[in-house]
Parts: sequence; C-alpha cells; structure tokens
Amino acid sequence: GQNIDQPTEMTATEGAIVQINCTYQTSGFNGLFWYQQHAGEAPTFLSYNVLDGLEEKGRFSSFLSRSKGYSYLLLKELQMKDSASYLCAVRDGSFQKLVFGTGTRLLVSP
Amino acid sequence: GAVVSQHPSRVICKSGTSVKIECRSLDFQATTMFWYRQFPKQSLMLMATSNEGSKATYEQGVEKDKFLINHASLTLSTLTVTSAHPEDSSFYICSATTSGKSSEQFFGPGTRLTVL
Repeated sequence: GQNIDQPTEMTATEGAIVQINCTYQTSGFNGLFWYQQHAGEAPTFLSYNVLDGLEEKGRFSSFLSRSKGYSYLLLKELQMKDSASYLCAVRDGSFQKLVFGTGTRLLVSP
Repeated sequence: GAVVSQHPSRVICKSGTSVKIECRSLDFQATTMFWYRQFPKQSLMLMATSNEGSKATYEQGVEKDKFLINHASLTLSTLTVTSAHPEDSSFYICSATTSGKSSEQFFGPGTRLTVL
C-alpha cells in the first residue's frame, strides 16, 4: 500500500530554521515533491528530488534518502508568510500519479 | 511556469443538483489531468486520472457514476458532480501535466463546492 507520514503541526519563531520530515512507503517511486499550501488555495511547487542528496533553492532546501524512504524540507530565516501547510508527495513510477502525505501545518510566530 | 485555470472558483448548489467544474491548461497541452478532493484540514486525495480522448481512471472508493470526468481536448477536462449531497462539499483541485515521466504537475486554483 501507499503510506506517507508527516508531523501534523509544527511551530517556530520568525527568523529561525525548521525541518519538516516525511517518511514514505510506496509501491513505485519516480520522485518526491514538496508543496506549500495556504488555506483555501491550491498547492504551489517548492522542490523536487529524485536522486539522493540535498537540493537547495533560496531559503528552502529538500533532502532525499531513497534507501531510507525519507525526505525533509528545511526552511531557513523563517518569515510570517511561511505559515502554511507543507505537503510531501511521492510520484508513482508508472502513471505519474502523486500520492500526498498528510501535510504539516506550520505556524510561524513573532 | 505553466498556467492552469479552474472555473468556477466557488459554487453553492442545492442538494440533488449537478455541478460542472472546468479545468483548463492555458499555455500548454495537457496529455494528463488529475482531479483531487481536499476536505478541511486534510491533505489532497486523488480522485481520478484523466487522459485526453480516453476514459478516466478512478481511484478506489471513488464512484465513477457520481463524479463524471470528460477530457475532450488537450486543454480541457471537466468534472461533473452528479446529484450532489452535503457530504460532497469540498475543495476540488485539478492538475495538468504533459507527457513524459519527469513532467511536473501544475495545479489549478481550486473550486470550493458547498452543497446545501
């Protein structure tokens, strides 16, 4: 079966660093995506990992270990606008389907 | 990046009526479109995969006769919620992708459906 787990909620302070973990067990694997979603809006793409290692893009970095079925999203220099849900999604190998994790609600406080 | 639109953005309807939601890829041809449903404070759940010119593939537990999907062209897919009931109230989001295994999915802005 498909199983993607993330912490339900996290809190952090403005200017700090936060790491959001994602573990997965899926029947196929063709890449892992991280999306940001503000309430009532569609997800917006943050990062994509298909090989092991770290991908850095500005304040956001994402890491993947395929052997461990594990990824994390690292957010640096947190801003109030980073308060949102962060969704981890694994792409099925053969049909391009995305299987979404439970999502992590991040609250950034002053 | 590629743009996907959805119409309407919000719809309120009476129980028992049908509602049609459109998903359009504005500046690219989408060989595959996906329909998701999201209940409050939950993640996105894939409902069906729609390929242009062929029947949609529904996920387990999704009633194909209730959620009719038509992907008539490379830029348009529609989802019709037939005989809607209050429990169908949800946020419906589509995404579109081009051919190829490494293609990214581009998401529409979503449609908020409220069934009274």
